[in-house]
Amino acid sequence: LAKTTQPISMDSYEGQEVNITCSHNNIATNDYITWYQQFPSQGPRFIIQGYKTKVTNEVASLFIPADRKSSTLSLPRVSLSDTAVYYCLVGVGSARQLTFGSGTQLTVLP
Amino acid sequence: DADVTQTPRNRITKTGKRIMLECSQTKGHDRMYWYRQDPGLGLRLIYYSFDVKDINKGEISDGYSVSRQAQAKFSLSLESAIPNQTALYFCATSDFSERGTDTQYFGPGTRLTVL
Repeated sequence: LAKTTQPISMDSYEGQEVNITCSHNNIATNDYITWYQQFPSQGPRFIIQGYKTKVTNEVASLFIPADRKSSTLSLPRVSLSDTAVYYCLVGVGSARQLTFGSGTQLTVLP
Repeated sequence: DADVTQTPRNRITKTGKRIMLECSQTKGHDRMYWYRQDPGLGLRLIYYSFDVKDINKGEISDGYSVSRQAQAKFSLSLESAIPNQTALYFCATSDFSERGTDTQYFGPGTRLTVL
């Protein structure tokens, strides 16, 4: 099982770029890395997914180094509405991808 | 996500009662899941189903059962509810792509309180 480790919490200010790093030392060759966002009392929502190097979409970027043992979710110019818990999952279409850790509580301050 | 619906949204019940939580999806996905979330914690998998004839236990299946009535419907039952099953329950679906990725889409959740 690909175990992930993330910081428990992070604080930032509006307008700043936020980087949340996830460690996954035993990632398997076929595993993808997926990040979800969860607001209080809501289900998690898919943010971004990648396999290697860099992936960017309209809300975030995902940086994955060559060894793939970690990944960094980058949120540009955060706002108060980005305050949420962010989960990193590693796996590929199997039960291995179905384990959510405790995530990272991001708090954006005014 | 409006494509995944859960009923009821809130439920208060008493210890020993049988209760069923229902999940329906219009996304056409084969895979469906039930999770529970306790305050301040991440999601824990209860059961998952990769198609109508496939049911699998997750990490915390004791005290729960499921039924996959159709591709679009996946129900979770608590045969005899106990207070420590008080939690927020989420249903999810996923699309397994040919390249091997699997993105999950979650329902709005059911808040269950067992007195």
